[in-house]
Amino acid sequence: ETGVTQSPTHLIKTRGQQVTLRCSSQSGHNTVSWYQQALGQGPQFIFQYYREEENGRGNFPPRFSGLQFPNYSSELNVNALELDDSALYLCASSRTSGRDYEQYFGPGTRLTVT
Amino acid sequence: DAKTTQPTSMDCAEGRAANLPCNHSTISGNEYVYWYRQIHSQGPQYIIHGLKNNETNEMASLIITEDRKSSTLILPHATLRDTAVYYCIAKEVGGFKTIFGAGTRLFVKA
Repeated sequence: ETGVTQSPTHLIKTRGQQVTLRCSSQSGHNTVSWYQQALGQGPQFIFQYYREEENGRGNFPPRFSGLQFPNYSSELNVNALELDDSALYLCASSRTSGRDYEQYFGPGTRLTVT
Repeated sequence: DAKTTQPTSMDCAEGRAANLPCNHSTISGNEYVYWYRQIHSQGPQYIIHGLKNNETNEMASLIITEDRKSSTLILPHATLRDTAVYYCIAKEVGGFKTIFGAGTRLFVKA
């Protein structure tokens, strides 16, 4: 069983640029969630995708957007990068059937905005 | 805001049981208690979850009080590798939003 993978591992961008982060979900999982984790804080929920549609969203502006593909992999896009967007971006996959909905997280992408 | 409160940090001696408390006094009837942990610079790792009965798996045990207002995660024989931030989360099964608090930083000492 392949776990959740994310790419790239690290990324450095300049303020105002755009960035795309990628996530491959665990085998058999059809739901992907994205989180932002600033240094020293817990992960903050950005949004969730299920069946290629956004299924719910946290308190993040529209410049944070996403996609889910038919193979359940996903992208997180951030436009007009700000210095405060520097963080670890985590992707988590899960099933949406059955009793258990635990999420399995990838290792994250460390984004630095200068 | 997180629906759970946890101590900021705890210490535990290697080989002893680590008991991590969590208060969730406003938990609703359809919300489970989930525990995750995050080892430095890695993604969070699922540990265990439960609704009202105590649960045990190969990693830990979860004890939930009868009124469901608090719970305790037990690592029966802590090792140095268990040093991590532990998050307690109240979440509806199938709910889309997982709210992490600040968690408890557990230090396991030799």
